[in-house]
Amino acid sequence: DVKVTQSSRYLVKRTGEKVFLECVQDMDHENMFWYRQDPGLGLRLIYFSYDVKMKEKGDIPEGYSVSREKKERFSLILESASTNQTSMYLCASQDTTNYGYTFGSGTRLTVV
Amino acid sequence: AQTVTQSQPEMSVQEAETVTLSCTYDTSESDYYLFWYKQPPSRQMILVIRQEAYKQQNATENRFSVNFQKAAKSFSLKISDSQLGDAAMYFCAYRSANTGNQFYFGTGTSLTVIP
Repeated sequence: DVKVTQSSRYLVKRTGEKVFLECVQDMDHENMFWYRQDPGLGLRLIYFSYDVKMKEKGDIPEGYSVSREKKERFSLILESASTNQTSMYLCASQDTTNYGYTFGSGTRLTVV
Repeated sequence: AQTVTQSQPEMSVQEAETVTLSCTYDTSESDYYLFWYKQPPSRQMILVIRQEAYKQQNATENRFSVNFQKAAKSFSLKISDSQLGDAAMYFCAYRSANTGNQFYFGTGTSLTVIP
């Protein structure tokens, strides 16, 4: 069964901390995405990657960066966490034969 | 960016009854894909159903079916014989067939199933 694993289900971090959210997929997919989910706003794209070491900004990249050193791993980085980055973060991997998404279970991040 | 609108933040349905969730979208493209995703309390997003815009026939998956009205840019989800396990947040999503792999999501509809 295909799988996208997000390393943490819940995280609590302090304002100003550098935060790493990890996402690993086992499907050999090229495309990976990071979304942020907030009530009333749905899912908004932060960054995506089409290949190793490649990255593209999504709709809300400010305050975030990403890293893709290996095909299976796509990391979201909050350089200096702020309280307005408290949210649910969802990683998705995309099959380029049918372009469907497989999602991870999400990381609920609280910045205090 | 494409816009996907779900105008019903919350819906409820009696067990075994039928419910319809609404979704509209804004696009100038003619070739695209539409999706309904379900997010239960476990938070794992699950694909419910998918529709290709070039297909006139509405997609169905067991108790789930869509009413795709291309001219009206409408894509509603009908759930028949609702079950307790259908309770979840439902998201409508759009993906262009030509201009990229990004999905655009609506704001979601929270469905409650009443026993």
